[in-house]
Amino acid sequence: QVQLVQSGAEVKKPGASVKVSCKTSGYSFSGYWLHWVRQAPGQRLEWMGWINPNSGGAEYAQNFQGRVIMTSDTSLSTAYMELSRLRSDDTAVYYCTRGGGNGDYWGQGTLVTVSS
Amino acid sequence: EVVMTQSPATLSVSPGERATLSCRASQSVSGSVAWYQQKPGQAPRLLIYGASTRAAGIPARFRGSGSGTEFTLTISSLQSEDFALYYCQQYYNWPPWTFGQGTKVEI
Repeated sequence: QVQLVQSGAEVKKPGASVKVSCKTSGYSFSGYWLHWVRQAPGQRLEWMGWINPNSGGAEYAQNFQGRVIMTSDTSLSTAYMELSRLRSDDTAVYYCTRGGGNGDYWGQGTLVTVSS
Repeated sequence: EVVMTQSPATLSVSPGERATLSCRASQSVSGSVAWYQQKPGQAPRLLIYGASTRAAGIPARFRGSGSGTEFTLTISSLQSEDFALYYCQQYYNWPPWTFGQGTKVEI
């Protein structure tokens, strides 16, 4: 069955970077785009960007331009999202999700807490 | 960027009753709308895509409708496991995906 398993919770200081992984299984990794979506406490879902694992090409939401990098490793069927220059308002649960226009399978989420 | 607005913020219903959730887009998104269910501590779960197509394994009591700027998710007879948060999302004009602020369905 299709599974997306994300790395564990992180606590970071302001200004630091975090890298979240999303290990996939049960389908052809190169055949589906992967998106990253975050959810701050009590807030709506916020789309961060997407990556084409086949080409490695990625596109980012304007709010995250210059701070986020999405990569993939086809040999490990794993995608990564790195967010730099963290601020307190980056505290959120970060999700990876498979899909084109919508996310049909989601990772379990990774809580990233930014606190001094 | 397309803004998605959901109403009401909270919907109080009894088990067995019908629930009707609304989602409005700031501009036409054709039929490119998805609905998700989210329970506390869990990831969103895709219910509906293409405005009206149920995702795999989704019970028939979930029905999506609408096109253009007005969309509705109807849950015909609420079961205990349906009390959750529901989000709409547009993917007609992306990037970015944009989501509504959610409707909480409570007992």
